Formats: sequence, structure tokens, C-alpha cells
Amino acid sequence: EVQLVESGGGLVQPGGSLRLSCAASGFTFSNSWMDWVRQAPGKGLVWVSGINTDGSSTTYADSAKGRFTISRDNAKNTLYLQMNSLRADDTAVYYCARGTWGAFDVWGQGTTVTVSS
Amino acid sequence: DIVMTQTPLSSPVTLGQPASISCRSSQSLVHSDGNTYLSWLQQRPGQPPRLLIYKISNRFSGVPDRFSGSGAGTDFTLKISRVELEDVGVYYCMQATQSPTFGGGTKVEIK
Repeated sequence: EVQLVESGGGLVQPGGSLRLSCAASGFTFSNSWMDWVRQAPGKGLVWVSGINTDGSSTTYADSAKGRFTISRDNAKNTLYLQMNSLRADDTAVYYCARGTWGAFDVWGQGTTVTVSS
Repeated sequence: DIVMTQTPLSSPVTLGQPASISCRSSQSLVHSDGNTYLSWLQQRPGQPPRLLIYKISNRFSGVPDRFSGSGAGTDFTLKISRVELEDVGVYYCMQATQSPTFGGGTKVEIK
């Protein structure tokens, strides 16, 4: 079964850091572009960051540039998002998703990040 | 960034009746490779998004054929031919011709 499972979310104070993980199974992870998408409470979907198959190319939304770092470990079939200098408006459910045919065809269940003092 | 605008915000529909959602982009979604990377996703309450349609009109695996996509350039439409109870949720269009952006979402609910 093709599956993505996120972890690492939680409650963090403003200015703090978190590292999200996304474990992939059921497909060839090393052949797949991967992305992070977030959804603030009651709001729509917002793309955060993407990474190519070998990790040599990364892209970020303006809101993530300079604070977030996407990476991957193909040997462990795992995608990461290192988030630093967190702000209240980073509070959201964070989804990892697989990119295929210019769309996101596989989504995880999401992990919740809450930034609050 | 490409701005995606969806209408309507909400669509109350009678079971068995059709529904239509419009999505307009602020610039053409035709990529330099000739493809148009416009997709549609469904998000049921409490669930992650699910891909329905990719590259304007291609139904993803397992998606019922009552869902169809059409359009070109900057104007796109998702149609549900006969709405069923399981179709209740929020629908998003998304472009990936440039860095991905999503429409604001359209809530489909039963009258």
C-alpha cells in the first residue's frame, strides 16, 4: 500500500524549532518528487516547500524561505522539514505529498504544529 | 505567484443533481513543455486532500467517472454529474505550472 506518515508535530513557543518527518512506503521513494503543504485551522491549502528526487534542488514559498529547510534521506525513505524561528502564523496541519504529473497524488494524514506561548 | 480564484465559495446541491466549480488563474497555466498543470483535489471533513483530476481532465486512479475536468489557458471547471452523499467536502484547484498555488476552496454541501 502506498503510504505517507508524518510525525514530529507538537506545541512550540514562538521563535522555537521543530523537525517534521514523513515516512514513505509502498513506492520507490527515491524516484519521487516530494512536497510539504500546510493548512491553518479552518483555512485552505498552502504549498510550503518541494524537493527533487536526489535532494539537489529545493524550492520554498516566500513564507518559508530562510526559516524552513526541506531535505530527504532516500536510504531511509524519509522526507524532512526543519522549521526554525517559528511564528504563530505557522500554526497548521502539515502534510507531505508526492508530486506526480504536476499534481500531488499521495498525501499523508498530516501532523499538527501549534506555535503558542 | 499565480493566483487561483475559485467560484462559488459554497455550492448547496440536491442529491443526484449536478454541480460545477470554476477556477480561474491570474495567468496562463500552459507550461513551456506544452502541458497544463491544473489539478483538482477533494477534502472530505477531517480528512487529508485527495487527488481527483490532474492535467485539466485526467481522472486519477479510483476516481468515479461522475467527476470530470475541462478548460484551457486560464479558465477551468470541475463537474460532478450526479452528486452523492460521499461527495460532500471542500474542493480545491491547484496549479503546478509554477510554484504550486491553490484556489481558496469550494464547499459542496447537500441541500
